[in-house]
Amino acid sequence: DVVMTQSPVSLPVSLGQPASISCRSNQSLVYSDGHTYLNWFQQRSGQSPRRLIHKVSNRDSGVPDRFSGSGSGTDFTLKISRVQAEDVGVYYCMQGTHWPRTFGQGTKVEIK
Amino acid sequence: EVQLVESGGGLVKPGGSLRLSCAASGFTFSSYTMNWVRQAPGKGLEWVSSISASGTYKYYADSVKGRFTISRDSAKNSLYLQMNSLRADDTALYFCARSDILTARFGMDLWGQGTTVTVSS
Repeated sequence: DVVMTQSPVSLPVSLGQPASISCRSNQSLVYSDGHTYLNWFQQRSGQSPRRLIHKVSNRDSGVPDRFSGSGSGTDFTLKISRVQAEDVGVYYCMQGTHWPRTFGQGTKVEIK
Repeated sequence: EVQLVESGGGLVKPGGSLRLSCAASGFTFSSYTMNWVRQAPGKGLEWVSSISASGTYKYYADSVKGRFTISRDSAKNSLYLQMNSLRADDTALYFCARSDILTARFGMDLWGQGTTVTVSS
């Protein structure tokens, strides 16, 4: 199985400051069609997960443009340009290239 | 309204069985791959199972293979998860989730609120 490793586990950030979450896989996430299927989800406390970004860098409808995704191969990053109070929660990466699908262990973003 | 509503969770003894249901509404259910994802108390997300739009292809996490069965009924716009031989480590909030219409590789773009399964004697 593909192991997804996120860092840091916890990320205290001051309001208005940038935040960066790393996600690494132990196998390449490039599929046979040439595309890379790495997705990001946000889960606020007591809520269901919500997809933010799919296929590395494509923001979902309604997701603020302060969220951006980047990376390739086995190394990916989610960035929040200026953290807002509503961004508090746990962020997960998930690979869609291989079966079984696997999630990272999560990164908890909190306000410092 | 586009939504997924899970039901069927509860308290069950180790070795017991439970059948989860997910009622879909507001979209063409038969066009989408569907999934079950679970979250143990205080833990992260774990993908459990997926079923293709036609129901032909089914995939399972190793942790549930041979014990859980995913199915769907497009006439009823419903997704199911039959869980047998339940263990304590199956205790979790179980989410029903819809895959992206373009490709399931884009992950899940719609999630239900979840139904809680507790396995305990």
